[in-house]
Amino acid sequence: DQQVKQNSPSLSVQEGRISILNCDYTNSMFDYFLWYKKYPAEGPTFLISISSIKDKNEDGRFTVFLNKSAKHLSLHIVPSQPGDSAVYFCAASPEGAQKLVFGQGTRLTINP
Amino acid sequence: GAVVSQHPSRVICKSGTSVKIECRSLDFQATTMFWYRQFPKQSLMLMATSNEGSKATYEQGVEKDKFLINHASLTLSTLTVTSAHPEDSSFYICSAWPPTGGVNEKLFFGSGTQLSVL
Repeated sequence: DQQVKQNSPSLSVQEGRISILNCDYTNSMFDYFLWYKKYPAEGPTFLISISSIKDKNEDGRFTVFLNKSAKHLSLHIVPSQPGDSAVYFCAASPEGAQKLVFGQGTRLTINP
Repeated sequence: GAVVSQHPSRVICKSGTSVKIECRSLDFQATTMFWYRQFPKQSLMLMATSNEGSKATYEQGVEKDKFLINHASLTLSTLTVTSAHPEDSSFYICSAWPPTGGVNEKLFFGSGTQLSVL
């Protein structure tokens, strides 16, 4: 049972435009959400997170939106840069837990 | 920031041999570390939670006798894949939370180990 789903395995965006990566979850106990970026043969690196008490968190070019009623979150990257090309994972955690549940990942390709 | 070091980065071994992967927290003490596995084009799946000084907690479907975890110190956890078979070929990643955090802190990941069993 996939509790965290990233339904788009890949996304291609023109450099300078906005990249929008989506993530859906099913477990209503999740209350903390994170996005990670991963290059091949490397461990994930943290990008941005959001608590369920918020609906938006922004950090530079990265903004995460959370829609609790729809159990949906999205990561916006603007403007997109070639260095953003990587696999992006969303992850979720129930309150007080340290274990993360990851989505399947979305491979983002930024075209020059 | 906090750093987690994982070694080796790549292992190629024959079927039936055992492989040990080390995960170290370099500038902080980690009472808990996590071991994940990622198959190609799939998600990171939590295998087990490594607890310093006590037994590891394994996720459902993960064989504890096959994936031996030892967390003997506050900076080192090891994962040993015993009697490895080709289906164990995967990318193994460890992670740890910095000491000030629970889930609201950033989870730091090692660089991963690509295991290929021939």
